[in-house]
Amino acid sequence: QLQLQESGPGLVKPSETLSLTCTVSGDSISSSSYFWGWTRQSPGKGLEWIASIRYGEDAYYNPSLKSRATISVDTSKNQLSLKLNSVTVADTAVYYCARPCRGGRHDAFDIWGQGTMVTVSS
Amino acid sequence: QSVLTQPPSVSAAPGQKVTISCSGSSSNIGKNYVSWYQQLPGTAPKLFIYDNNNRPSGIPDRFSGSKSDTSATLDITGLQTGDEADYYCGTWDSSLSAVVFGGGTKLTV
Repeated sequence: QLQLQESGPGLVKPSETLSLTCTVSGDSISSSSYFWGWTRQSPGKGLEWIASIRYGEDAYYNPSLKSRATISVDTSKNQLSLKLNSVTVADTAVYYCARPCRGGRHDAFDIWGQGTMVTVSS
Repeated sequence: QSVLTQPPSVSAAPGQKVTISCSGSSSNIGKNYVSWYQQLPGTAPKLFIYDNNNRPSGIPDRFSGSKSDTSATLDITGLQTGDEADYYCGTWDSSLSAVVFGGGTKLTV
């Protein structure tokens, strides 16, 4: 059974870099035909897609976050990672990793992690 | 400001039917499949409809989706109090090369 588990620092200071990991169990992130992605949700707000990547291919980014975000895959640990630099309070959110229900698609996420809350504060 | 437009809230009585709309453009809904998610408080979103009108295993047939031109709708019949949640539409935007979501609709039963 495919499971995703996010982990992160919980608290990040403004202007610093946020680093998150998503551990994948039940599937190999490097052999899969699926894109793996990150989506976030600020408190009381809607969903905002951040980025997605398929192993060995270029990543796709939300244009509004592209200059600050980097998504990557660590095949040795079967993990998905996200780095977001120069964070501000507006980056305070629950961050989810997710996988679409169909290979080759970026959307229609049927597998989600439980999410990790990140607060940006000095 | 979300790329896809949803009504902030809808409400209906138990047993009734409700429709949630999602409006987009030719670069997103007009060209690509639409998905719908249900999100209960404090939990991750759950996929309820994909590819416009397909239900994942375990989703009741009270939930149905449709798409026409640049808009999509989620219909819920036989409303139950357990259906109270936030609902989001989503799709791929071919111009942005990005996944886009609606702002979400809060359903009150």
